[in-house]
Amino acid sequence: GQNIDQPTEMTATEGAIVQINCTYQTSGFNGLFWYQQHAGEAPTFLSYNVLDGLEEKGRFSSFLSRSKGYSYLLLKELQMKDSASYLCAAMNSNYQLIWGAGTKLIIKP
Amino acid sequence: DGGITQSPKYLFRKEGQNVTLSCEQNLNHDAMYWYRQDPGQGLRLIYYSQIVNDFQKGDIAEGYSVSREKKESFPLTVTSAQKNPTAFYLCASSVGRTGANVLTFGAGSRLTVL
Repeated sequence: GQNIDQPTEMTATEGAIVQINCTYQTSGFNGLFWYQQHAGEAPTFLSYNVLDGLEEKGRFSSFLSRSKGYSYLLLKELQMKDSASYLCAAMNSNYQLIWGAGTKLIIKP
Repeated sequence: DGGITQSPKYLFRKEGQNVTLSCEQNLNHDAMYWYRQDPGQGLRLIYYSQIVNDFQKGDIAEGYSVSREKKESFPLTVTSAQKNPTAFYLCASSVGRTGANVLTFGAGSRLTVL
C-alpha cells in the first residue's frame, strides 16, 4: 500500500531548531512536498524535493533520501508564528499526491 | 492579487439536503482539485479536473459531484448520498498535474450537517 508517516505533534521553544520527519511508501516517486497550514486556514507551499539532498530556503530547509523513503523539514530560529501543522505529501508515478496526516508544531515562549 | 476564492466559509446543512461549495480561481491554472480534510487524516482527493468540461474521480468521490464549465470555476456539490459530509473542504489549483505540481489552496469551507 501507499502511506506517509509523520509525528502527530511536536513541541519546541521559540528561537530553537526543530526537525519534522516524514517517511513514505509510494508506487513510484515523483517528488516530495511540504506545506504549512495554520489552524482553520489554507495550506501553503513550503518546499519540493525530487533529488537527494538538502534544499535551504531561509529559516526552512528540506531534506530527501529516496533510497530510505525519508524526508525531513528543518525549521531554525523558531518564531511563535511557526506554530502550525506541517503536511508532508509524496507524489507517486501516476502524479497522485499521497498526504500525511500532518504534524502539529507547538512553539512555547 | 491572484488566488482562489471559496465560499461559503461556514455552511450548515440538514440531513437530506444537497449543498454546493463554490471555488473560483484567477490564476489561469488548468488543473483544479477538491480535497476533504478530517482530523487525524491526510487530505483525501474527491475530484480533480485538468481541463474545461472534463473531470476525474479521486479516492472518495461517492456522494459528491462537480462541474467544470469554465476554466476559473470548479464547484462541488455534496449530495444527500454522502453519508458523513461534516468536514473541512479545500479547493486547490495548479498549473498542471504533473511535475513539480505546486498546489495553491483556497481558504476552505467548513460544512456541518445538523
